[in-house]
Amino acid sequence: DAKTTQPPSMDCAEGRAANLPCNHSTISGNEYVYWYRQIHSQGPQYIIHGLKNNETNEMASLIITEDRKSSTLILPHATLRDTAVYYCIVKEGYSTLTFGKGTMLLVSP
Amino acid sequence: DTGVSQDPRHKITKRGQNVTFRCDPISEHNRLYWYRQTLGQGPEFLTYFQNEAQLEKSRLLSDRFSAERPKGSFSTLEIQRTEQGDSAMYLCASSFSGTNAGELFFGEGSRLTVL
Repeated sequence: DAKTTQPPSMDCAEGRAANLPCNHSTISGNEYVYWYRQIHSQGPQYIIHGLKNNETNEMASLIITEDRKSSTLILPHATLRDTAVYYCIVKEGYSTLTFGKGTMLLVSP
Repeated sequence: DTGVSQDPRHKITKRGQNVTFRCDPISEHNRLYWYRQTLGQGPEFLTYFQNEAQLEKSRLLSDRFSAERPKGSFSTLEIQRTEQGDSAMYLCASSFSGTNAGELFFGEGSRLTVL
């Protein structure tokens, strides 16, 4: 079972920051937070992951609260191509990825 | 293209027939995964291999499903005696093992329709 809670859908205006929340209140100390996205009719795409510290790469930033019970994925300047389902996943090192239903992000002009 | 490739991309079959899907992972990756995705749901894990060894199978993988990775390179997923409930997108992914094991690279999937 998925260990995360995400809103089913969100809207964002093109060019604005998209902030996607995720609750993982039962996360354990050795579990990482992973984010993937899935554009329509494509396979999921890895975005970013983190354990405790905030992380940034060319695609997004990941902000993890100090108690690690929630996180936010930030797309700093959303484009129409960022319209997708975004999955937040918690995972221990040896376990496989378990996807929930994710958040459908719609970026509008 | 050096990504994960899957074949066929689309398969329509009649109930009771057997189908086989092939996945060619990224060549440097030693792990290969199969997932299934139905409309409106996230991908569901089916099984994974490390090299040629099948290390984990989900309870979703009934006796009609079999996966192989004979030489630790490409993999096949066979569904015998297909049922309408098998209609789904079958996704393959590959990754390294170790610290980057959570960074999976997915193919575009094989869509199965069982009539």
